[in-house]
Amino acid sequence: AQSVTQLGSHVSVSEGALVLLRCNYSSSVPPYLFWYVQYPNQGLQLLLKYTSAATLVKGINGFEAEFKKSETSFHLTKPSAHMSDAAEYFCAVTEGGNNRLAFGKGNQVVVIP
Amino acid sequence: NAGVTQTPKFQVLKTGQSMTLQCAQDMNHEYMSWYRQDPGMGLRLIHYSVGAGITDQGEVPNGYNVSRSTTEDFPLRLLSAAPSQTSVYFCASSYSANANYGYTFGSGTRLTVV
Repeated sequence: AQSVTQLGSHVSVSEGALVLLRCNYSSSVPPYLFWYVQYPNQGLQLLLKYTSAATLVKGINGFEAEFKKSETSFHLTKPSAHMSDAAEYFCAVTEGGNNRLAFGKGNQVVVIP
Repeated sequence: NAGVTQTPKFQVLKTGQSMTLQCAQDMNHEYMSWYRQDPGMGLRLIHYSVGAGITDQGEVPNGYNVSRSTTEDFPLRLLSAAPSQTSVYFCASSYSANANYGYTFGSGTRLTVV
């Protein structure tokens, strides 16, 4: 069963506009949630994580995400897109035991000048 | 501090050949795992290990073997490569079974099987 759903494989945003990437999860227990970013030809870097503390989580490079239990969501936002934000973004959730992370299919973000 | 090191970065194999993808970490992480990344599929877990001598299967284990003889190393073996194994492979490690720490990823191995 898919634990993480990311809609829209490709997302285009104008430079200076809001970046909004949606992530919904399915979990029977309170999850740990993560957003990772992958720049071209590189590995994944942790953007931010939710681990049952504050529901609004701030990460690197001006990104933030809000955990909403009632909506089973963990959407990622950035108020103003920059050209350097062009990358692929993955939402991930803890799954089962043994520290396994399940990843969504990713959003490829293109920033239009 | 090197983090997670994967070798090689690129590899081309012929169908039926075998090879080992290397992964090493210098952070004394107990948890290590292998993922493959394919377009539109995200990252799928192949195998993982919660400590030396302990391994388990992930979502897509067929055609791959692993072992964990030391804390530092977690090699991934392709026994008889197939074109369907053309992919980018990532190794990841974590401090402990507590997912609070997230994962540290290597830079990946791009494998092509012809």
